[in-house]
Amino acid sequence: NAGVTQTPKFQVLKTGQSMTLQCAQDMNHEYMSWYRQDPGMGLRLIHYSVGAGITDQGEVPNGYNVSRSTTEDFPLRLLSAAPSQTSVYFCASSTLTGDGYTFGSGTRLTVV
Amino acid sequence: GNSVTQMEGPVTLSEEAFLTINCTYTATGYPSLFWYVQYPGEGLQLLLKATKADDKGSNKGFEATYRKETTSFHLEKGSVQVSDSAVYFCALLTPYGQNFVFGPGTRLSVLP
Repeated sequence: NAGVTQTPKFQVLKTGQSMTLQCAQDMNHEYMSWYRQDPGMGLRLIHYSVGAGITDQGEVPNGYNVSRSTTEDFPLRLLSAAPSQTSVYFCASSTLTGDGYTFGSGTRLTVV
Repeated sequence: GNSVTQMEGPVTLSEEAFLTINCTYTATGYPSLFWYVQYPGEGLQLLLKATKADDKGSNKGFEATYRKETTSFHLEKGSVQVSDSAVYFCALLTPYGQNFVFGPGTRLSVLP
């Protein structure tokens, strides 16, 4: 089915470890983004991209890196995980005008 | 800046009761307004949207009207079902932007 695919669905990390959350979309959307969801705070934007080779910071970018080498993929990297990064992470994509905005099913990350 | 405020709940209703979840916003210009729903263990799904003042979005018995004069987009449903139990997020998308601003979410529980 067409859509946004996130992997893994669940992950436990130790403080200081690194990992990459994967996000892929097959709708040829130019725009992709990463959000984190924390209780009582809704979703907050981490990073976004308006096309291959272009990325920018959102509201809460510290501790996270992104790259966009292809239209389809937008991985999120945690270089040195901290307990404050325990959250549910959602990837989303859309056209540049915001049409067809689609969310992935999320990655639940726990940092111990 | 842009922001969305909504009642946080939790909201607990009996089946067939009337539902209102309040949402107000602050934004530059005239944003598009959305309601997203998140069922347990899943990502966000678009429930309805409105792109200009006085527009009414509707889907699955839910409705919301874009009120520019009160900067509101309240979600209503005349008769809720147990299957409507979920977290509901109000969100805005600024003109010419792709990044959503989400409210904190409202958890709805419907009892049989």
